[in-house]
Amino acid sequence: GAVVSQHPSWVICKSGTSVKIECRSLDFQATTMFWYRQFPKQSLMLMATSNEGSKATYEQGVEKDKFLINHASLTLSTLTVTSAHPEDSSFYICSADRANYEQYFGPGTRLTVT
Amino acid sequence: SQKIEQNSEALNIQEGKTATLTCNYTNYSPAYLQWYRQDPGRGPVFLLLIRENEKEKRKERLKVTFDTTLKQSLFHITASQPADSATYLCALGFGNEKLTFGTGTRLTIIP
Repeated sequence: GAVVSQHPSWVICKSGTSVKIECRSLDFQATTMFWYRQFPKQSLMLMATSNEGSKATYEQGVEKDKFLINHASLTLSTLTVTSAHPEDSSFYICSADRANYEQYFGPGTRLTVT
Repeated sequence: SQKIEQNSEALNIQEGKTATLTCNYTNYSPAYLQWYRQDPGRGPVFLLLIRENEKEKRKERLKVTFDTTLKQSLFHITASQPADSATYLCALGFGNEKLTFGTGTRLTIIP
């Protein structure tokens, strides 16, 4: 149990376009999901906390108008990178809180902006 | 601000030996501490959670200790195998579900 999926697993887009990444909890409901980004050989940096039915909470320094988060249901959260630029290229990972503070992570999405 | 240090960036251990990874933190003690395994190009996989009032937790060949006086957690893998080779991350939680991750230790088990 506790499977989280992400789609797509990798995406290449042109500068100025928008990209949507989906995060789904497949076998449990998650009122809270999290979005992280990870640069090569670095740790995970929390971008935002996504709450079902309410606005996301963004970490300091993360532009909420650039990284749009929608938590439409108890099993789906989406991250849209708007007007992407090469510096947005990174590994984006979501996680879902199942219970007792155990977080289960998706396999990640590799975004490359050309 | 909270700092988390994991003992070394890379650790090589002979197969069959016990691998010990260290996670040290400064400032505030977390309500709980978690350990994750991450393989290249993949998301982290949850391994163990230990709460502030627990000294030790075990799961199969894994053992975690938590010393709030030393502000340190130790993560042990006994009878290590090449398949245990991965990056291991510690993460601190302060009761609001958010986690703060360490930079990780890349463990290599040498056959």
